[in-house]
Amino acid sequence: DAGVTQSPTHLIKTRGQQVTLRCSPKSGHDTVSWYQQALGQGPQFIFQYYEEEERQRGNFPDRFSGHQFPNYSSELNVNALLLGDSALYLCASSPGGRIAGELFFGEGSRLTVL
Amino acid sequence: QKEVEQNSGPLSVPEGAIASLNCTYSDRVSQSFFWYRQYSGKSPELIMSIYSNGDKEDGRFTAQLNKASQYVSLLIRDSQPSDSATYLCAVHMEYGNKLVFGAGTILRVKS
Repeated sequence: DAGVTQSPTHLIKTRGQQVTLRCSPKSGHDTVSWYQQALGQGPQFIFQYYEEEERQRGNFPDRFSGHQFPNYSSELNVNALLLGDSALYLCASSPGGRIAGELFFGEGSRLTVL
Repeated sequence: QKEVEQNSGPLSVPEGAIASLNCTYSDRVSQSFFWYRQYSGKSPELIMSIYSNGDKEDGRFTAQLNKASQYVSLLIRDSQPSDSATYLCAVHMEYGNKLVFGAGTILRVKS
């Protein structure tokens, strides 16, 4: 049973560029959440997708956008990259209707912005 | 005031001792609380969830919840070097329906 998979695992971008990160949820899960984790910090909630719609959003600017596909996979897009966007981006999945805190995380995509 | 606060540590304990990790939260109406473990370079992994006041035990782990004091703790008995990791407290905030993480406490178990 495959867990949550994310790609790419590492990437380097320059300021002003755009990036797309991808996530496939654990089998049987239909809800995907994205988190940003800066070095030495806890994960910060970006947004959550369920039934192909953004259901909840954290305190992140509109430069951060996402999408969920009919097969429940998801993408996170970040436009106009800033140095401060350098972080580990975590995707987490859960089954719809379950307690919102029982999440299964992927191994993350580490983004470095130069 | 941060929504979820933890002592960043590091907390150092000898092998076999009890490690006590603490967390406070700001949302008085929160009902769901979680502890995640994150090894260096890895992603967080859920180890405990607690929803009612009191204690919940699972193997060497005990989660404690006091909603009146807005306080959650995790006790690790018979600590092992393999328990060395960052422990993240997470609280489901009713306002915004989101899971908020603390910054984590680094635990080091010395053999």
